[in-house]
Amino acid sequence: RKEVEQDPGPFNVPEGATVAFNCTYSNSASQSFFWYRQDCRKEPKLLMSVYSSGNEDGRFTAQLNRASQYISLLIRDSKLSDSATYLCVVNSGTGGYNKLIFGAGTRLAVHP
Amino acid sequence: AAGVIQSPRHLIKEKRETATLKCYPIPRHDTVYWYQQGPGQDPQFLISFYEKMQSDKGSIPDRFSAQQFSDYHSELNMSSLELGDSALYFCASSRRQGGETQYFGPGTRLLVL
Repeated sequence: RKEVEQDPGPFNVPEGATVAFNCTYSNSASQSFFWYRQDCRKEPKLLMSVYSSGNEDGRFTAQLNRASQYISLLIRDSKLSDSATYLCVVNSGTGGYNKLIFGAGTRLAVHP
Repeated sequence: AAGVIQSPRHLIKEKRETATLKCYPIPRHDTVYWYQQGPGQDPQFLISFYEKMQSDKGSIPDRFSAQQFSDYHSELNMSSLELGDSALYFCASSRRQGGETQYFGPGTRLLVL
């Protein structure tokens, strides 16, 4: 079983739709969590960090449930430019060092 | 703002050859990480360095080695290349103190024939 699990999708949605991605992680000692976005053949780019209190950045909202070891990302009012693979990422490093464990990614395709 | 620089961007090698990938972190970043991403796969952590010392090790084959130099740049050395080594190799950098966000370079695409 992978340490970080995601639904691979693809999610095909029309512009303006709201879409939610879910992710679970198995290492209960993990301390920090992120959503990265990756376009085809490009490097992963940090979309947002995820906090227990939840955080919002424009159309994007991320939530963390430590008890359930569950992370979510909500995208409202989808744009064509949101089409990408969204990677759920968990920092499993210890001793002050960071080791990112990536989920397999969820593909999103936004169509006109 | 300066980003992580990787070179070369593309590399074609034959089986059993060697390859060296280079990574130049963002200025003032003291930690570098190497990841391997195969076709259709998620990035897999290989190895990381902090202040020129190995800080963590992931699924790096014994045929690979890496080091970080005094100017904080890092090199990933790959020997006895196999077809399965064909992948995108990303380097990321961060500051250990006061920040854990990793910023990724554009990657080196390695093709082993």
